Amino acid sequence: RKEVEQDPGPFNVPEGATVAFNCTYSNSASQSFFWYRQDCRKEPKLLMSVYSSGNEDGRFTAQLNRASQYISLLIRDSKLSDSATYLCVAYAGNNRKLIWGLGTSLAVNP
Amino acid sequence: GAGVSQSPSNKVTEKGKDVELRCDPISGHTALYWYRQRLGQGLEFLIYFQGNSAPDKSGLPSDRFSAERTGESVSTLTIQRTQQEDSAVYLCASSLSYGRAWNGYTFGSGTRLTVV
Repeated sequence: RKEVEQDPGPFNVPEGATVAFNCTYSNSASQSFFWYRQDCRKEPKLLMSVYSSGNEDGRFTAQLNRASQYISLLIRDSKLSDSATYLCVAYAGNNRKLIWGLGTSLAVNP
Repeated sequence: GAGVSQSPSNKVTEKGKDVELRCDPISGHTALYWYRQRLGQGLEFLIYFQGNSAPDKSGLPSDRFSAERTGESVSTLTIQRTQQEDSAVYLCASSLSYGRAWNGYTFGSGTRLTVV
């Protein structure tokens, strides 16, 4: 089992749709979590950190469920420009590494 | 600098040659990481530097790979006797410090290496 698992997709949604991605992690010692966005043939860019209480940034909402060991990302009112791969990342201080999921591909269609 | 700078942006080399990739982290970032990403694949951790501590080399795939970093500045990743399976994008990232990884990494735009 991978340490961080994501549904690879692709998710194909129309503009304006709401879409949600889940990510599960296996290391219960994981402390911090992030969502990164990676456009085709570009480097990953930090989208948002994920806090225990959940956090929202405009159309994006991230939530953490420690009991079930999963993180979610909700995108409301999808835009064409949201089309990208979304990478889930977990950080565990005990092994001092960021563990990356393989990403979920999103295509927002007109 | 303002961002993480990597050079060259593209490199085509013949099988068996050595290549050197360079990374300039954001000024003041003590932690520096190298990753590899093959086409259509996820990020593969290679090596991590934190200040003057011994680097974490646990991700280096073979002894053909090595990396150096001088203090908290430039890092070079060297691949000796390149093979076709080394073809990938090599990404460098930096962060303020390891313990503050909650800030997340900032990535450079990568070096696209093609071994022919």
